[in-house]
Amino acid sequence: EDKVVQSPLSLVVHEGDTVTLNCSYEVTNFRSLLWYKQEKKAPTFLFMLTSSGIEKKSGRLSSILDKKELFSILNITATQTGDSAVYLCAVVPGTGTASKLTFGTGTRLQVTL
Amino acid sequence: DAGVIQSPRHEVTEMGQEVTLRCKPISGHNSLFWYRQTMMRGLELLIYFNNNVPIDDSGMPEDRFSAKMPNASFSTLKIQPSEPRDSAVYFCASTPTLVGTEAFFGQGTRLTVV
Repeated sequence: EDKVVQSPLSLVVHEGDTVTLNCSYEVTNFRSLLWYKQEKKAPTFLFMLTSSGIEKKSGRLSSILDKKELFSILNITATQTGDSAVYLCAVVPGTGTASKLTFGTGTRLQVTL
Repeated sequence: DAGVIQSPRHEVTEMGQEVTLRCKPISGHNSLFWYRQTMMRGLELLIYFNNNVPIDDSGMPEDRFSAKMPNASFSTLKIQPSEPRDSAVYFCASTPTLVGTEAFFGQGTRLTVV
């Protein structure tokens, strides 16, 4: 059974801090890893990672994948209160079926003033 | 595009009642997924469809749960009879291709069974 473990479960930081969120996984025939941000409503897509060592970047957020060690990290620099959310990691198997995402339970990030 | 549309946004019902959740995927997307989210278990995949055909319903918790997709623009998730432990947020998501792309989520239906 595919498995995704995220750490820490929750995190409180001050505005301006840099945070690193972790995601480790076990999946049959890995295809891709996705990061989502969930505020009060639906998860919104951040990154898709398929290759090791290639950093994806969007503003203050960046992410990288290590397929050998089976993990990914999501970095947020110069955090702002608007970054407060649950960050979800999901993996997609490479078998010939639909994008059957398996999610971790998420990291709840709170950024305080 | 309006995105994935779910209704209702909130549902409160009594134990034993039938509940029907609705989803309209993004036009042109051919895969549709139903997820359930709780604090304890996070996001769990219940069932997904490709081209209106159920592909995998192994995540459906019990026979009380059923899902249909009569056409490319509409799907329902039904719980009959509902129980308090079914209380959760139910998300519908769609993807434009069968494999390898991110899922776009609806705003969810928050179900409370009392």
